[in-house]
Parts: sequence; C-alpha cells; structure tokens
Amino acid sequence: GDSVTQMEGPVTLSEEAFLTINCTYTATGYPSLFWYVQYPGEGLQLLLKATKADDKGSNKGFEATYRKETTSFHLEKGSVQVSDSAVYFCALSDIGNQFYFGTGTSLTVIP
Amino acid sequence: GAVVSQHPSRVICKSGTSVKIECRSLDFQATTMFWYRQFPKQSLMLMATSNEGSKATYEQGVEKDKFLINHASLTLSTLTVTSAHPEDSSFYICSAREGQISNQPQHFGDGTRLSIL
Repeated sequence: GDSVTQMEGPVTLSEEAFLTINCTYTATGYPSLFWYVQYPGEGLQLLLKATKADDKGSNKGFEATYRKETTSFHLEKGSVQVSDSAVYFCALSDIGNQFYFGTGTSLTVIP
Repeated sequence: GAVVSQHPSRVICKSGTSVKIECRSLDFQATTMFWYRQFPKQSLMLMATSNEGSKATYEQGVEKDKFLINHASLTLSTLTVTSAHPEDSSFYICSAREGQISNQPQHFGDGTRLSIL
C-alpha cells in the first residue's frame, strides 16, 4: 500500500544552519505531496505542497521538490531560525483520496 | 485560506464524563472531515472519517460506541468521547478537506487537549 517514510529525529541545529528533512514515498500513480508543521500544543498547518512531478513547493523560506524518479519530497531551508522549532510531517494524498502521514520529525533550533 | 476551528482547546474532567469536541470549517464546505488522535511525541493516528449526512467510517481498533461522530452539516462535525476514562486522555485533532480531489490538502484545527482525572 501507499506510505510515507520520513527521517527520524530529533534534529537539533544552530540558528542559520541549513536544514534538510528527508521524505520518501511509495504510491501508485501520481500522488500529491505535502509538508505540514506542528508547533507545540497546536494542530498542523500546511507548509507547502506539490501536485505533480518536478513541482517545487515553497513557503516561509522552506522548499521541497517533487522528485518522481527518486520518489522523494525532501524539505529544505537555507537558514533556520529559532522560530522554526516544531515537528514537521510529510504527507501524501493518493489517487483514491487517501491521506498518509509520515511519523514526524522534531526540529529544535538553538540560538 | 481555508480555516478549521476546533473547540474546546482544552478539557479537564472527571472519569465517567462525556466530552463533546466540535470541528467547524469556517470558510468552506467540507463533505468529509477527519478525526485524529495524537500521543505525546508521536504521529497522528486516524480514528475515523466523518461524512456529511452519513455514518462515519472508523479505523480498525477504534470503538465507534466510545467515540461518537456526527457530521450534521457541511461545516460541522462533532466527536463525543462517551464515559471518558484516564486512558482516553490525549490530543485530538480534526481536519477537513475543501474538495474531493487528491491535490487538495487537509486543513487542521488547533486540536483539543483532553485530560481525564
């Protein structure tokens, strides 16, 4: 079945460091891919999305490119801030409209 | 953008109490809403899919008589935890999709922290 595999955390970075959180997927056909962010004590917020191969989603300095050849959707940010500390979830929506979430990656950015 | 409102944000109550959580889509209609449960430092666990005007679809292992779901309108779904016990303490999150096609994201409420004493 369809699934999402996300790199395990926790990830700790210094402010202004480069961030990569890996996400790979297994799906039939052409799923849509999403990154969500969850701040402490809150629900999930949509961070960015990509709906077809080679699409790049971007928001708030974060980027992810839909790579069908490697079935990946890695999240990147060039310079993280303390306020980026949160849990990040990769997700896919398949052709049957089912949603699948990764296990989440906790990011802590220290000053 | 699409906004989902969840209420209440926090509930503390005695064992045996029934607790109702509301999930509203504020600026769009949602034929389908989802209810998740999240344990500390863990991912989301889908409990059930709520369909407007019909019965909810529960995931395996989720007691439908324990977690009652009602989706009476296109903008409101409710989850009632009946006769709650300490093991039901958790973070419950709802979400809604704006459309029925796969490229539409889910939009999440802010969650409800349920604590049963």
